[in-house]
Amino acid sequence: EDQVTQSPEALRLQEGESSSLNCSYTVSGLRGLFWYRQDPGKGPEFLFTLYSAGEEKEKERLKATLTKKESFLHITAPKPEDSATYLCAAASGSARQLTFGSGTQLTVLP
Amino acid sequence: DADVTQTPRNRITKTGKRIMLECSQTKGHDRMYWYRQDPGLGLRLIYYSFDVKDINKGEISDGYSVSRQAQAKFSLSLESAIPNQTALYFCATSDSTYEQYFGPGTRLTVT
Repeated sequence: EDQVTQSPEALRLQEGESSSLNCSYTVSGLRGLFWYRQDPGKGPEFLFTLYSAGEEKEKERLKATLTKKESFLHITAPKPEDSATYLCAAASGSARQLTFGSGTQLTVLP
Repeated sequence: DADVTQTPRNRITKTGKRIMLECSQTKGHDRMYWYRQDPGLGLRLIYYSFDVKDINKGEISDGYSVSRQAQAKFSLSLESAIPNQTALYFCATSDSTYEQYFGPGTRLTVT
């Protein structure tokens, strides 16, 4: 059974305090690892897709990396507007849908 | 205009009523999905469709049905709504890359 686990469940940072969010996955034949941002009451917004170990993607203060067992979302010098829930999801070779983690709720304090 | 639209955005209904949530997309994707989200439980897949003739149950399909009227339209029905179906419902679309794009959501309350 495919599994995706995110940690921590919640993270509070001061503005400018860099940190990383973790996404551990167990899937058979990874087809893609996806990161989303979700603001309260809104639909998840697509951020990145990673396909193979060693791959990295960047967007503004966010950088996503991938190993054979984990993905990290690094947040450099965060700002209050980066506050949101960050979701990761994995697509396996056998499944026809994504397996989502339960998310990390990030709060960046001014 | 948004690529994925959902109607209604908010709905309050009574136990036992039939209700339909609608989703339309202009991304040209073949694949469409319905999820529900509850606090602490994350996103759970209800139904998904890879084309008009390919409809599949997801993790939590009991109490729900769907209709894929066209490539761009995918509707979710609650045949007889019950209070524990109170949740935030999302429609999503994707192409074969599995990158999913979500609608703004429908907040459903069953009293």
